[in-house]
Amino acid sequence: DSGVTQTPKHLITATGQRVTLRCSPRSGDLSVYWYQQSLDQGLQFLIQYYNGEERAKGNILERFSAQQFPDLHSELNLSSLELGDSALYFCASSASTRTGGRETQYFGPGTRLLVL
Amino acid sequence: GENVEQHPSTLSVQEGDSAVIKCTYSDSASNYFPWYKQELGKRPQLIIDIRSNVGEKKDQRIAVTLNKTAKHFSLHITETQPEDSAVYFCAASKVTGGGNKLTFGTGTQLKVEL
Repeated sequence: DSGVTQTPKHLITATGQRVTLRCSPRSGDLSVYWYQQSLDQGLQFLIQYYNGEERAKGNILERFSAQQFPDLHSELNLSSLELGDSALYFCASSASTRTGGRETQYFGPGTRLLVL
Repeated sequence: GENVEQHPSTLSVQEGDSAVIKCTYSDSASNYFPWYKQELGKRPQLIIDIRSNVGEKKDQRIAVTLNKTAKHFSLHITETQPEDSAVYFCAASKVTGGGNKLTFGTGTQLKVEL
């Protein structure tokens, strides 16, 4: 158990719908990262938040958005869902963005999204 | 942006043999290189990592080597056991005060046969 929690574990929805994925980082970790894992694209970085602020952005679609709240939990919102959005969505956390042994990212169990 | 290539995509070894997985990266500014193990349907788990100021790191049966000049790094697993069977991912990132986005390789399916 990494200490990172994600809800829900599974999500089945229809095309065009909107869903929200939730992540709670390890106690004390300020950084939260979101990754998408699909069969054809592998593990892809989406976005990073540090202490409530966006810090790095990957190939995140405009239909996707995220935020980190004052209690440090994060939510990933996926809208206008398409079949191709079906994937495993992982959240990871780390203590800090600074160097010196703080960059280790610990992954949560993931949310499996199926868009029908 | 960073690009990480990983080889081989599948690797089958006999129990007790060694396994080597290789990765190359494109951005010479990358300074952090973790390796993750992922079992089917589960989360990636960090098994070892190395920073650019170190050439080699070892943890029991697992070792990682880094060649900054050639921009490649490798994972070595000795005395493989059936429980080592999983998908292994290498990754690279340029850790700065502004962020730490990991770019992953495409994964290696390791199968340890009895």
